[in-house]
Amino acid sequence: ETGVTQTPRHLVMGMTNKKSLKCEQHLGHNAMYWYKQSAKKPLELMFVYSLEERVENNSVPSRFSPECPNSSHLFLHLHTLQPEDSALYLCASSQDFPGLAGDGVHEQFFGPGTRLTVL
Amino acid sequence: GESVGLHLPTLSVQEGDNSIINCAYSNSASDYFIWYKQESGKGPQFIIDIRSNMDKRQGQRVTVLLNKTVKHLSLQIAATQPGDSAVYFCAERNQAGTALIFGKGTTLSVSS
Repeated sequence: ETGVTQTPRHLVMGMTNKKSLKCEQHLGHNAMYWYKQSAKKPLELMFVYSLEERVENNSVPSRFSPECPNSSHLFLHLHTLQPEDSALYLCASSQDFPGLAGDGVHEQFFGPGTRLTVL
Repeated sequence: GESVGLHLPTLSVQEGDNSIINCAYSNSASDYFIWYKQESGKGPQFIIDIRSNMDKRQGQRVTVLLNKTVKHLSLQIAATQPGDSAVYFCAERNQAGTALIFGKGTTLSVSS
């Protein structure tokens, strides 16, 4: 619906597993983002990529490893996660960084999220 | 530090009423604000944004008001409908200008 798709929609993994979340945007945007949404907490920014280059790593533990092979795809590689990492992981994209120029032009479009449960 | 927050976690209104959702922010240098709506099972969806050089901006059935003196942002929804039931987030651009910082969200419930 928004032009940003995420797979899988649901994921259950053990603490020793390795898995990857995938995000794809069909909007021709230049910036992509990973957010974590936990219950009763604000959305937490994790990573920002602009033109495939990481421009922000918001003190995220190394067990989360992002990858942006091209401007349309963004991955989040997961390994040795903890139960407290269970959350909704949201991907977003924008034409450029938010608020740079034009009202509403650089809004972030969000995907539906991946609901992650770590056992 | 940078942070945004909301005054009330929940708001219940009757269909047809006007709704007002409030948000307070802490960074007086913030220059860009945005409201998102998140329905159950979906990602946040853009509603409206406003720059700090404006006090008010109107969209379709929605109005955003910005009071920089008290660092307060509000979203007004006219003639609220059941389809407006969702969690509403305010957000501001971070100091680096690279991303958005979100508040905790207000859950709006509309009864008919």
